Amino acid sequence: QVQLVQSGAEVKKPGASVKVSCKASGYIFISYGISWVRQAPGQGLEWMGWISAYNNYTKYAQNLLDRVTMTTDTSTSTVYMDLRSLRSDDTAVYYCARTGLIPAALHMDVWGKGTTVIVSS
Amino acid sequence: QSALTQPASVSGSPGQSITISCSGTSSDVGNYNLVSWYQQHPGKAPKLMIYEGSKRPSGVSNRFSGSKSGNTASLTISGLQADDEADYYCSSYAGSSAVVFGGGTKVTVL
Repeated sequence: QVQLVQSGAEVKKPGASVKVSCKASGYIFISYGISWVRQAPGQGLEWMGWISAYNNYTKYAQNLLDRVTMTTDTSTSTVYMDLRSLRSDDTAVYYCARTGLIPAALHMDVWGKGTTVIVSS
Repeated sequence: QSALTQPASVSGSPGQSITISCSGTSSDVGNYNLVSWYQQHPGKAPKLMIYEGSKRPSGVSNRFSGSKSGNTASLTISGLQADDEADYYCSSYAGSSAVVFGGGTKVTVL
């Protein structure tokens, strides 16, 4: 079955970086993209960006442009999300979700279980 | 992009119908028929309920339906059931390969 398995919880200090992985299985990896969405405690969903597994095209949210990088490893069907210069307000659950490859298909139909990232001194 | 606007909460009795609105602008909701709706139960990942405005993924009950008028999209849940109690989020394509979410609506089944 189609599934996305995310890496485990992380605790980081302010200013550090975190790299979250999302391993896909059950479908043709390069036929889809992966979106990243985060949710701060008690808050709503925030779109962070997406990456095409077909050609590595990326689009990041404006407020994260200078701190986030998304990459793929097609040999292991894994997508990585790297967030730098962490602040306390980056504390959140980070989700990866399967998405399409074109603007008309950027809805997210399969989600990972989420990775908790806590930023604290 | 600014977040889409949703009511904070909506409630209804079992068997009733409720509608959740999602207001955007002519740059997102109004310009594309690409609104999605997600259901999220506490402590769980979101689940896609509606995409491209009104399409249901396989396995989603036909009690869930989506529509749009101008810059506002809506999700209607008919025959409300206890398990429908959850948070609901809309999202829209916002141009230039970007997506924007709404703030979320808590649905309570009375």
